[in-house]
Amino acid sequence: GAVVSQHPSWVICKSGTSVKIECRSLDFQATTMFWYRQFPKQSLMLMATSNEGSKATYEQGVEKDKFLINHASLTLSTLTVTSAHPEDSSFYICSAPGLYEQYFGPGTRLTVT
Amino acid sequence: QKEVEQDPGPLSVPEGAIVSLNCTYSNSAFQYFMWYRQYSRKGPELLMYTYSSGNKEDGRFTAQVDKSSKYISLFIRDSQPSDSATYLCAMSGSGAGSYQLTFGKGTKLSVIP
Repeated sequence: GAVVSQHPSWVICKSGTSVKIECRSLDFQATTMFWYRQFPKQSLMLMATSNEGSKATYEQGVEKDKFLINHASLTLSTLTVTSAHPEDSSFYICSAPGLYEQYFGPGTRLTVT
Repeated sequence: QKEVEQDPGPLSVPEGAIVSLNCTYSNSAFQYFMWYRQYSRKGPELLMYTYSSGNKEDGRFTAQVDKSSKYISLFIRDSQPSDSATYLCAMSGSGAGSYQLTFGKGTKLSVIP
């Protein structure tokens, strides 16, 4: 099946700094990618839809100036958490759509100290 | 009322038992139903995908959809320790590929040898 990778798998950063997370579709092109956030024992919550060559679409309640999304190519989308705070600590997962399913990346665990 | 309700468990069963996992939903627009398996600190992987009401079987797994009751189930026969994971139901108003998914909270399953 199709493979989606994420980098880094785990990152620790200090409060106030910015962190960039990459999501790549390795063997297929994705004009759309989805970014989810998952808190412990909670469901995956869709944050935004990343569109190649255009602006991302953010879900209600997600600050677009804090979570910057760039979909610069057909195989790469990036999520930058700006001025991170401890409450941003979470598991961030991206997915890329196939014909019948979404292919999920392995996730990035962000810890903000 | 949340769109998708799923008992988070945890659920602990002995090896070989039949496991029943369930979700209810309130949005009649949901037409596509999926079950994902997520191992700890990993991205979800698709287990089953169904569209119509009724049963769909794949090996030890059976997905059941009852649209009239807005209720879906996943049955695991002859459960194995390797089935220990969190199981998430997901739903979409359109095809499961390119469209946004709404997830349940996930049920954490432990199969004891």
